[in-house]
Amino acid sequence: KNQVEQSPQSLIILEGKNCTLQCNYTVSPFSNLRWYKQDTGRGPVSLTIMTFSENTKSNGRYTATLDADTKQSSLHITASQLSDSASYICVVRATSGTYKYIFGTGTRLKVLA
Amino acid sequence: NAGVTQTPKFRVLKTGQSMTLLCAQDMNHEYMYWYRQDPGMGLRLIHYSVGEGTTAKGEVPDGYNVSRLKKQNFLLGLESAAPSQTSVYFCASRPSGEETQYFGPGTRLLVL
Repeated sequence: KNQVEQSPQSLIILEGKNCTLQCNYTVSPFSNLRWYKQDTGRGPVSLTIMTFSENTKSNGRYTATLDADTKQSSLHITASQLSDSASYICVVRATSGTYKYIFGTGTRLKVLA
Repeated sequence: NAGVTQTPKFRVLKTGQSMTLLCAQDMNHEYMYWYRQDPGMGLRLIHYSVGEGTTAKGEVPDGYNVSRLKKQNFLLGLESAAPSQTSVYFCASRPSGEETQYFGPGTRLLVL
């Protein structure tokens, strides 16, 4: 069964610190992997997208990595800010099957001053 | 551009009542989706549409119906609401040839 698992479930860090969020998936074959940021009470917003042939993609202080061999992705946040407090969702797009977008349960990040 | 908008933002229903959630997008996107988001679970696809006049079932379609009479609107209907349908509902759209889905702000539904 296609699954996407994220860890940790929640994370608290101090402003200015770095952190790394993990995404493990069993979706195969897949065409791309995306990270979304979801602020409380809002819809998800895309941060990065990587195809199976890419292994890193940056968007400002956000850097995503992908290891298609081990089926792992990570999202690294550098010099965190209070506005980074949100849920981060990993989504894998399968190339076959009916439900092509497989969503992870997300990591809830809280950045404290 | 307003992007993707959802109406209403919040609603309380009694078991057995019906209602319609409206999703509207002004980006001329072909694809539209309805998801539900529950605690501890990833977003799950309810129904989707690949174009005006077409709809298809997603992962959890039971108890819901949809219609896409106009390209910019995607309606989600609950004919007889059940407490298990208490959730946050998100609509999303994307253009053909692009993978990014653009989400609305969500509708919080409570069924008593």
